[in-house]
Amino acid sequence: DTAVSQTPKYLVTQMGNDKSIKCEQNLGHDTMYWYKQDSKKFLKIMFSYNNKELIINETVPNRFSPKSPDKAHLNLHINSLELGDSAVYFCASSQDLGGSYYNEQFFGPGTRLTVL
Amino acid sequence: DAKTTQPNSMESNEEEPVHLPCNHSTISGTDYIHWYRQLPSQGPEYVIHGLTSNVNNRMASLAIAEDRKSSTLILHRATLRDAAVYYCILRDVNTGTASKLTFGTGTRLQVTL
Repeated sequence: DTAVSQTPKYLVTQMGNDKSIKCEQNLGHDTMYWYKQDSKKFLKIMFSYNNKELIINETVPNRFSPKSPDKAHLNLHINSLELGDSAVYFCASSQDLGGSYYNEQFFGPGTRLTVL
Repeated sequence: DAKTTQPNSMESNEEEPVHLPCNHSTISGTDYIHWYRQLPSQGPEYVIHGLTSNVNNRMASLAIAEDRKSSTLILHRATLRDAAVYYCILRDVNTGTASKLTFGTGTRLQVTL
């Protein structure tokens, strides 16, 4: 049973295109996240949602728009793709325990986006 | 979030213990110490966390210095499957809803036969 799944696993596209990455978790968690890992392997938070509400937006260009149709899904739509958007994007989820220090995050396998 | 410092890389022989250090000299009293690891081509996974006392779980042990300015993740018997990047992360106990993980550069652990 896959806890956090992402589709697609690989995405190759041309500059200027619009693409989406989907994420689903079957853990019953109420918080979901998107992280970006660049070519130098730095992992950085982009967004987090709690109960479908945007909580964290870390100075991400507005070409990136997360959408959470329900608690189990958090999709990432990217408009007008640029070369610098090439990276691995990880989705994660956690059970928010009202601000607990210990809400272990479970990560998906990642989506490798290559913009040509 | 307070900053952590880890060596860029370490090597270990299989079946031997590995001690992965982390310095966090600016840690606050409300910071918990978390460790995650990222195996090649996978997403990060939780390893262990602690506040003041040493902690053990099925994956590893966490030894925390008395002054809490440093900690050590201990893998008791490294296997090839433990080759990964290990991240030491501080998280404030007063953190708000849906708090983020702030990853540093981590330590790349290489395990050889």
